[in-house]
Amino acid sequence: EVQLVESGGGLVQPGRSLKLSCAASGFTFSNYGMAWVRQTPTKGLEWVASISTGGGNTYYRDSVKGRFTISRDNAKNTQYLQMDSLRSEDTATYYCARHPFGYGGSLDYWGQGVMVTVSS
Amino acid sequence: DIQMTQSPPVLSASVGDRVTLSCKASQNINKNLDWYQQKHGEAPKLLIYYTNNLQTGIPSRFSGSGSGTDYTLTISSLQPEDVATYYCYQYNSGLTFGSGTKLEIK
Repeated sequence: EVQLVESGGGLVQPGRSLKLSCAASGFTFSNYGMAWVRQTPTKGLEWVASISTGGGNTYYRDSVKGRFTISRDNAKNTQYLQMDSLRSEDTATYYCARHPFGYGGSLDYWGQGVMVTVSS
Repeated sequence: DIQMTQSPPVLSASVGDRVTLSCKASQNINKNLDWYQQKHGEAPKLLIYYTNNLQTGIPSRFSGSGSGTDYTLTISSLQPEDVATYYCYQYNSGLTFGSGTKLEIK
């Protein structure tokens, strides 16, 4: 059974950093591109970043470029999202998801989500 | 950026009804579109990929169609467990979600 379990969320002050993790199981992690998607009541679902199978290719939405870094450790079956210079508008539930076809496109499995609150 | 507009924002229908949800892209997305279902308190779930392909394990009452800029998700016979918000998602250029259609039972 495919499982994606996020961790690392919490309350953080504006301008500070936070690192999310997503532990994968039930499939050959190194064969799949991965992504982070976030959701807020006002903006809805937003794709945040994606990473290729080996980690050599990464993609970001414009609003997080230069502040967020997606990475993965295939030996640990885990992907990460390093979030720096956090802003109040980054407050959201963050989901880890799997790309079944390459490192873009559909998202066939999702984690349960982790809440990130950016507030002083 | 490609904008995805879903209609209606809220849809109320009766059990057994045929239900149609719409999604319109701001430009041609070449059928590179999925549909996701999100029940309250849960993560989104993939229902349909590449316009009309049913994801494994999804009931056959769900179907998708469309081309160009206009796409449709149809539920042939609405069930109580279909209460959820439904999102379209394009990946032709960038990756963007629609704002969702909340489906309720009348």
